[in-house]
Amino acid sequence: DVQLTQSPSSLSASVGDSVTITCRASQGITTYLNWYQQKPGQAPKLLIYTASNLQSGVPSRFSGRGSGTDFTLTLSSLQPDDFATYYCQQTYFAPWTFGQGTTVEIK
Amino acid sequence: QLQLQGSGPGLVKPSETLSLTCAVSGGSISRSSYYWGWVRQPPGKGLEWIGQIHYSGTTYYNPSLKSRVSISVDTSKNEFSLGLTSLTAADTAVYFCARCELNIKMAMDVWGQGTTVTVSS
Repeated sequence: DVQLTQSPSSLSASVGDSVTITCRASQGITTYLNWYQQKPGQAPKLLIYTASNLQSGVPSRFSGRGSGTDFTLTLSSLQPDDFATYYCQQTYFAPWTFGQGTTVEIK
Repeated sequence: QLQLQGSGPGLVKPSETLSLTCAVSGGSISRSSYYWGWVRQPPGKGLEWIGQIHYSGTTYYNPSLKSRVSISVDTSKNEFSLGLTSLTAADTAVYFCARCELNIKMAMDVWGQGTTVTVSS
């Protein structure tokens, strides 16, 4: 199975900050990498698909980059609604796998 | 607007079989560009992909669960279902159903609210 390693596991930031989360795959997955946001008690929400494409309705302060094995999710100008846990997911090799998650907390 | 609604028992005994259903509303399950999948999340932990099905019946399962899992689709009812046998406490989790969009490389773009399942005697 493809292992996805996210870093950091958690971070603290203030409203208005810019933060970047990294997802590294154990083997090349071209751009078959998605990002999800999950808040406590809720289902995950798709933010970014195929590494860099913004899902409809998602604010443009979210952006994704990368290909191969290294990917990033950047949240620019953090808003109160952005404090949540973020997961990457690969859909290149079955079984699809998720990263362990990165929790963004309020400083 | 497409909505997914999962349902099923909240408490199941060890060694028994779990059956969950996901009802699809606001759109047809029989669209060729979609698969319909299940993901689970143990308490306080991350997400695990269980498997997915196309309305044609094509299925993909996570090998870690393959011997115990089955996913089926009922196009007449516009719903799909998950079966998981030989349950243990390790199967305690929130089970999410979701739509997998072929045109965006199987990203899961619509999710149900989640069904909490506890395995306990």
